Amino acid sequence: DTTVKQNPRYKLARVGKPVNLICSQTMNHDTMYWYQKKPNQAPKLLLFYYDKILNREADTFEKFQSSRPNNSFCSLYIGSAGLEYSAMYLCASSRGGSDYTFGSGTRLLVI
Amino acid sequence: AQSVTQPDARVTVSEGASLQLRCKYSYSATPYLFWYVQYPRQGLQMLLKYYSGDPVVQGVNGFEAEFSKSDSSFHLRKASVHWSDSAVYFCAVSGTGGYKVVFGSGTRLLVSP
Repeated sequence: DTTVKQNPRYKLARVGKPVNLICSQTMNHDTMYWYQKKPNQAPKLLLFYYDKILNREADTFEKFQSSRPNNSFCSLYIGSAGLEYSAMYLCASSRGGSDYTFGSGTRLLVI
Repeated sequence: AQSVTQPDARVTVSEGASLQLRCKYSYSATPYLFWYVQYPRQGLQMLLKYYSGDPVVQGVNGFEAEFSKSDSSFHLRKASVHWSDSAVYFCAVSGTGGYKVVFGSGTRLLVSP
């Protein structure tokens, strides 16, 4: 099985409420990534885990949290959703930083 | 910091025609370069990659791309497109090691019958 699974496929959230997105992979990849994709824009890297080490991008450092309780799972957490968080969130995994495998994404709508 | 520019947001070609999707990158050192494709309701899938060596790299489904250091480009080509090639194509760049891949904004390809 060479897939990355993301749940849920669609998520509706209220402004000010927390959001938790889930990603899993069964390829024993050491690295897992979260990207944010808005219409007509490039996917933007938010953070990635190399093994148990979390690396967050400087410009989104305070907006997103993540956890990786084991090799297979990685979550993306938004503490207080704002309208600007509405986007597609893409999870990917890789072994050693090459050949990413992407999930189908979770489309988040914040109202 | 690295960046990628895909100047064409949309491209329409007739089935059977040849295709070139343009990509320009900015990176101070030797880049790793990629092309990804996203079909409707699916995740991004890698078409091909360039790390070093022959500047023309072959990918899946008849796609190829050519790396030009002098032009800072990595254009994608296909000799004869099929309607099933309709999708969004992303060019991407990373540094050595591949972590922190930076994507372009994508080119939506429509293949008309």
